[in-house]
Amino acid sequence: DAKTTQPPSMDCAEGRAANLPCNHSTISGNEYVYWYRQIHSQGPQYIIHGLKNNETNEMASLIITEDRKSSTLILPHATLRDTAVYYCIVRVDAGGTSYGKLTFGQGTILTVHP
Amino acid sequence: EAGVAQSPRYKIIEKRQSVAFWCNPISGHATLYWYQQILGQGPKLLIQFQNNGVVDDSQLPKDRFSAERLKGVDSTLKIQPAKLEDSAVYLCASSLDGTSRVRQYFGPGTRLTVL
Repeated sequence: DAKTTQPPSMDCAEGRAANLPCNHSTISGNEYVYWYRQIHSQGPQYIIHGLKNNETNEMASLIITEDRKSSTLILPHATLRDTAVYYCIVRVDAGGTSYGKLTFGQGTILTVHP
Repeated sequence: EAGVAQSPRYKIIEKRQSVAFWCNPISGHATLYWYQQILGQGPKLLIQFQNNGVVDDSQLPKDRFSAERLKGVDSTLKIQPAKLEDSAVYLCASSLDGTSRVRQYFGPGTRLTVL
């Protein structure tokens, strides 16, 4: 699986948008971009994933550049409860028999301030 | 729906002792994972089960760690004997199946301290 690079930490004011970048310059055509987050003392939680189109769900939006070498996770209105470690993961999708595993890096510590 | 259950939540043991962790995945989930998360690092996959068969245990230290998933539901992870470097949070996760696009659901973890 391709390697990802994320800033170690970021700050955001409550109510503002949080934009978390991820670089995955060696991504292959069959690799998806996944985002998980881990709130203190909890297990990781799935946020969103995408291949090449931008994606949005109730939690966040995922913007993937046209060349797919980087992406940005957007939390549109950050709250104090969004303070967590955010992991960007690139994962192979080899079809119905793939047992693709999640390889976590160190992630970005997002701190949302009042 | 009920989430992934793990017990105990905390465990303190001395080195060379044995310890076991238990995981009950979400009902109907065929795939179960055990991760180790050392303080300050992301989780690392130790073993992955598909039903009651192992599909990936490449990062499991087999001289001291063992895991089983009886009847394709609950799972236990055992460490025998424990070392200081085994201090970590042990996370269990499950997914509907093992295909790449299926999200994993994580339990709260068991925090192990080895003295």
